[in-house]
Amino acid sequence: AQSVTQPDIHITVSEGASLELRCNYSYGATPYLFWYVQSPGQGLQLLLKYFSGDTLVQGIKGFEAEFKRSQSSFNLRKPSVHWSDAAEYFCAVVLYSSASKIIFGSGTRLSIRP
Amino acid sequence: EPEVTQTPSHQVTQMGQEVILRCVPISNHLYFYWYRQILGQKVEFLVSFYNNEISEKSEIFDDQFSVERPDGSNFTLKIRSTKLEDSAMYFCASTQERANTEAFFGQGTRLTVV
Repeated sequence: AQSVTQPDIHITVSEGASLELRCNYSYGATPYLFWYVQSPGQGLQLLLKYFSGDTLVQGIKGFEAEFKRSQSSFNLRKPSVHWSDAAEYFCAVVLYSSASKIIFGSGTRLSIRP
Repeated sequence: EPEVTQTPSHQVTQMGQEVILRCVPISNHLYFYWYRQILGQKVEFLVSFYNNEISEKSEIFDDQFSVERPDGSNFTLKIRSTKLEDSAMYFCASTQERANTEAFFGQGTRLTVV
């Protein structure tokens, strides 16, 4: 079935540690790929996106993501997390065939251990 | 920085009542969206709107739902006869072009149906 999968529901990392949040997609063609962040009580904010070209994309707040076609993955990384990074992170896609909606994964909640 | 604004931030309504959720998208954006997030679940697409008509809608967006752009600035979501299961956070979003460009989300309206 077509889907966006975030296998980790909740991750806790220590402040200053590195972070990787996983995302896999299952669609016939590579979609447009996004990562959004939702801080408590806030709306969704775009961290970064991948359309084509360099498979390592840089985003805001020190985040980056790597597109791997062979693995149908678009994992989000940060070398050193800060307490303010605690939030819900959503991987999302937009399909070429219907570029009028965003399809979100189920989200990964990130907690930061002091 | 331009932003999408939503009012009210929280709405409590009795089952069977009509509610209207309001959004002011970013002024030069052309595409408008409503998404919802039931507590603890993923963000789900409801409807997209362009050029004064619906571009796409999901299965969730049944006859009880309608959208309107009554003037040059507001974008509304009406639920005609609310049900308990309509309780959710509703997000408005807008994009300058189609959804494969950056979507800007409002902070959401929490709808509670009692």
